[in-house]
Amino acid sequence: EIVLTQSPGTLSLSPGERATLSCRASQSVSSSYLAWYQQKPGQAPRLLIYGASSRATGIPDRFSGSGSGTDFTLTISRLEPEDFAVYYCQQYGSSPLTFGPGTKVDIK
Amino acid sequence: QVQLQESGPGLVKPSQTLSLTCTVSGGSISSGGYYWSWIRQHPGKGLEWIGYIYYSGSTYYNPSLKSRVTISVDTSKNQFSLKLSSVTAADTAVYYCARALGWAPYFDYWGQGTLVTVSS
Repeated sequence: EIVLTQSPGTLSLSPGERATLSCRASQSVSSSYLAWYQQKPGQAPRLLIYGASSRATGIPDRFSGSGSGTDFTLTISRLEPEDFAVYYCQQYGSSPLTFGPGTKVDIK
Repeated sequence: QVQLQESGPGLVKPSQTLSLTCTVSGGSISSGGYYWSWIRQHPGKGLEWIGYIYYSGSTYYNPSLKSRVTISVDTSKNQFSLKLSSVTAADTAVYYCARALGWAPYFDYWGQGTLVTVSS
């Protein structure tokens, strides 16, 4: 099973700032099969990024993903008020599918 | 626009079987190309993949739950279902149904989720 570790656990930033979230895998994620989701309280997760760097339909271009192998990054170039949420990474390169524990981005 | 909606009891007694159904609208399960999935989230915690099913009935389960999980599909009703047996308080969670792309199973559409509490 691939274990995903996300850091930091909490990121306190102000609107307009840049957010950099990390996701590290315990072994290489094949074909960069890594996705990122955003979850707000009381809501289901929303797909942001798949294939490590491809934005899902309707996702603003301030969200970008990068990385390969075991190290992946989600970057939010300029935080908007609606971006304060919890972000999860998920690998789908091997079974079982696994998620990281999440990074909470809150308002400083 | 594909929509998924979970339904089922919100309270289950310990040792009993949790049963949930996901109704899909805006797309046909029978059209293929997707895995129809169950994911859960313990209160205040992260996400755990339970398993998924293809329209043909092929199933894939998380080994951590495999002995207690059954996922089935009813293409005539455009629904798929989850059964989790011998539940304990540790199975209390929000249960989501979701669609995953067949060739690269990330989750592009999710239901709103339903809280299931295991308690006597």
